[in-house]
Amino acid sequence: KAGVTQTPRYLIKTRGQQVTLSCSPISGHRSVSWYQQTPGQGLQFLFEYFSETQRNKGNFPGRFSGRQFSNSRSEMNVSTLELGDSALYLCASSLAGTSGATGELFFGEGSRLTVL
Amino acid sequence: GEDVEQSLFLSVREGDSSVINCTYTDSSSTYLYWYKQEPGAGLQLLTYIFSNMDMKQDQRLTVLLNKKDKHLSLRIADTQTGDSAIYFCAERRGASYGKLTFGQGTILTVHP
Repeated sequence: KAGVTQTPRYLIKTRGQQVTLSCSPISGHRSVSWYQQTPGQGLQFLFEYFSETQRNKGNFPGRFSGRQFSNSRSEMNVSTLELGDSALYLCASSLAGTSGATGELFFGEGSRLTVL
Repeated sequence: GEDVEQSLFLSVREGDSSVINCTYTDSSSTYLYWYKQEPGAGLQLLTYIFSNMDMKQDQRLTVLLNKKDKHLSLRIADTQTGDSAIYFCAERRGASYGKLTFGQGTILTVHP
């Protein structure tokens, strides 16, 4: 069974630009969560989608947004990039919310964003 | 507070046991997880424990949970150099599904 796939793996943007990151969950997983990892703040929850609906949201500004498609694939978008947005963005999928599921998150390798 | 706390560094010799500790604050935590992250990689789920359990063993890994003290530990038996990585504990609060609260990670260094 294929794992969580994130694209692109690496990207470089300049301040003010916007970026879209993509995540394909494990087959059968309907929950997709996004996390930001930085050396200073550690792992911080961005948002979670389940069946195309945002179910949870972290404390990030409105520049950070996401969506989920009917095939459970998800994208996140960051607009008006700032230097502080440089981070590893991790996507995770799970069966969370499905009957009997224990809610483990399975992470992708991440998309490393550098903002210059 | 809502923090999950871990010690930042642990150094052991190959063949010894490693014990990584974690404290959490939310009594509504339902599941607690341990993840491993190697350089340049994502997070690998190692094991998890449900909040009504005290202990879980999975090959070289033993998880102990003390709900009264809100203390979680991960013991790695016969630690190998390949176990060198960052280890994160994380808690899932209530029915928060895909939202986990992570500790800051413990850097485990295994010396030959």
